[in-house]
Amino acid sequence: QQQVKQSPQSLIVQKGGISIINCAYENTAFDYFPWYQQFPGKGPALLIAIRPDVSEKKEGRFTISFNKSAKQFSLHIMDSQPGDSATYFCAASDTGGFKTIFGAGTRLFVKA
Amino acid sequence: DVKVTQSSRYLVKRTGEKVFLECVQDMDHENMFWYRQDPGLGLRLIYFSYDVKMKEKGDIPEGYSVSREKKERFSLILESASTNQTSMYLCASSFPGRAGGYTFGSGTRLTVV
Repeated sequence: QQQVKQSPQSLIVQKGGISIINCAYENTAFDYFPWYQQFPGKGPALLIAIRPDVSEKKEGRFTISFNKSAKQFSLHIMDSQPGDSATYFCAASDTGGFKTIFGAGTRLFVKA
Repeated sequence: DVKVTQSSRYLVKRTGEKVFLECVQDMDHENMFWYRQDPGLGLRLIYFSYDVKMKEKGDIPEGYSVSREKKERFSLILESASTNQTSMYLCASSFPGRAGGYTFGSGTRLTVV
């Protein structure tokens, strides 16, 4: 089965610090790479996404960096806040959106 | 506010019972999905549907079936519940071609005893 490998499994960051979560994929047919944020008791919510024709996308404090040749992408959360404490999932999808493969998730805890 | 609504937040069922999980979306999305979420395994696709009465198997369809009689409603059926089906079940929907841009429900935590 095609995989998306996500690391680390858990992450503790000081308030104001940078949180970095990494993902690697295998299938070069994937052309859409979203990140989801999930709070306890809630379903995942789309946070930010990127297509492989760009190397970086920034939305507020959240940035995706994409390395097509290495088949890797990462989420950077700048100025991390306690309210960012959640589980983050990376994913890789084909254009039709039918085959989205999710990473195993990273539980982020931001210390106040 | 657009929504994907799952009928139950928590369910406890006995081994061998037939279990129905219901999902309704109000966004007129063509695509609907059922995932299960287990610690350390992420989200795994059980079934998806791209139109009324259409269904396709995902990565882990064994022991499950689905029904989509109306566009807005997608049901997951556990034919004979087993303890290894204890999990969090997430329903999602999307427009076709909106790759990966899913709207998820809040999930149903099912415990099979």
